[in-house]
Amino acid sequence: DADVTQTPRNRITKTGKRIMLECSQTKGHDRMYWYRQDPGLGLRLIYYSFDVKDINKGEISDGYSVSRQAQAKFSLSLESAIPNQTALYFCATSDPDVGGVGEQYFGPGTRLTVT
Amino acid sequence: AQKITQTQPGMFVQEKEAVTLDCTYDTSDQSYGLFWYKQPSSGEMIFLIYQGSYDEQNATEGRYSLNFQKARKSANLVISASQLGDSAMYFCAMSRINFGNEKLTFGTGTRLTIIP
Repeated sequence: DADVTQTPRNRITKTGKRIMLECSQTKGHDRMYWYRQDPGLGLRLIYYSFDVKDINKGEISDGYSVSRQAQAKFSLSLESAIPNQTALYFCATSDPDVGGVGEQYFGPGTRLTVT
Repeated sequence: AQKITQTQPGMFVQEKEAVTLDCTYDTSDQSYGLFWYKQPSSGEMIFLIYQGSYDEQNATEGRYSLNFQKARKSANLVISASQLGDSAMYFCAMSRINFGNEKLTFGTGTRLTIIP
C-alpha cells in the first residue's frame, strides 16, 4: 500500500461548490503539506502543518483552508471553488528528525477541474 | 526569498547518452538544501537526490549525480546512460535547512524525452 494516499484522485466540480481533498499517510511523519501544480508554474505551497496543533499558510493560501484531524490526516478545502483553482493537487509529508535529509514524500495527486 | 530557475523547458536525448538538466538558484540563506524530483507521466513526484549547501562533495545516487557549484549558484542534475524510463518532468527545488525544509520552492521543470 502507498505511504501517502489522496482521495479523490479525480474530481470535477462546479463553480461555487465546496470541495474537500483528503490526504492520509502511514509514514508516521509529523509534517504535512499541500501543493498545487499548474502547467508551466511548477509546484506551489498552499498550506503546511508541523503537527496537529500547527497550521501555516504557504505561498498561495487564499481561497483554501485546511484541517489537520490527526497526525496521519490533512485535508484541504475549497469553500467556494472557482475555475482558476483547476489544477493538480499534491499532499506531501516529511520528517527531518529521522536522520534523513528532510525530503518530502508525495501522494499520487488529485486532479481537480472546476467548471 | 528563494528562487529556482530551470531554463530548459524541454530536452530530447538519445538513449544511453548522458544528460545534464540545468538548475540555478537564488537565496540569501547560508544553510539550504537542494533537491531534484522526477515526475513521470503517471503524475507522482519521486525524490531523486539531495545536496546540502555545506556538503563538500557532489551528491550521487546510482545513475544520478548533482553537479553543485556553490559560487555560481547552480545545482545541475546529471543522468548517466539515459534509459527510456527516464522520460519525465524533472523539478529542481530548494529549502532552508534551519527551518526543516518546510518551504520547498520548486522550479518550473524540464521535460526530458529519451529517444530510442
